[in-house]
Amino acid sequence: AQTVTQSQPEMSVQEAETVTLSCTYDTSESNYYLFWYKQPPSRQMILVIRQEAYKQQNATENRFSVNFQKAAKSFSLKISDSQLGDTAMYFCAFGSTDSWGKLQFGAGTQVVVTP
Amino acid sequence: KAGVTQTPRYLIKTRGQQVTLSCSPISGHRSVSWYQQTPGQGLQFLFEYFSETQRNKGNFPGRFSGRQFSNSRSEMNVSTLELGDSALYLCASSLAVISSYNEQFFGPGTRLTVL
Repeated sequence: AQTVTQSQPEMSVQEAETVTLSCTYDTSESNYYLFWYKQPPSRQMILVIRQEAYKQQNATENRFSVNFQKAAKSFSLKISDSQLGDTAMYFCAFGSTDSWGKLQFGAGTQVVVTP
Repeated sequence: KAGVTQTPRYLIKTRGQQVTLSCSPISGHRSVSWYQQTPGQGLQFLFEYFSETQRNKGNFPGRFSGRQFSNSRSEMNVSTLELGDSALYLCASSLAVISSYNEQFFGPGTRLTVL
């Protein structure tokens, strides 16, 4: 069974600064995908970024980028130039083709962006 | 394109009752997954349906069941409600194209309160 661990319950960052969220996972599978989802106070889950395990290049989406270290089973998210709208709970999630439709989520990291 | 819709958005039930939640996926999406989100357990996978068939199931008691219709809309049912069933129930849809893992798009959730 896969496990996803987010060790930071809460992080605070000032506007325009950078924050990095950590995520580690445990799996014996070779073909899998990793995701970061954002859940603002509205509770709507929004996909931030995805990474295919077979790709060595780190994914980037505008101000969001990941540092994917496959051997270390680490998948961190960097938010650059933080904005007030980035305030949300961030979840790291694991999915694989051996378990269709199932995402295994971490416990989440609450990010608070302050003016 | 319209997003994933869930109805109702809020429900209040009493112990022992049963409840049915509905989910309409994004047009063209054939896979629907259900998750339970609680403060104590986080996000947990309930089950996934594809082409009216349950392909995957999480570790929940048999009181939790679901189904999918030919138009890909899905319902989940919880019978004999318990206080611990109070949660946000999230539905997510994906394209489910074979040979690739497709990201899931989430609905706004149904907040169930059991008294």
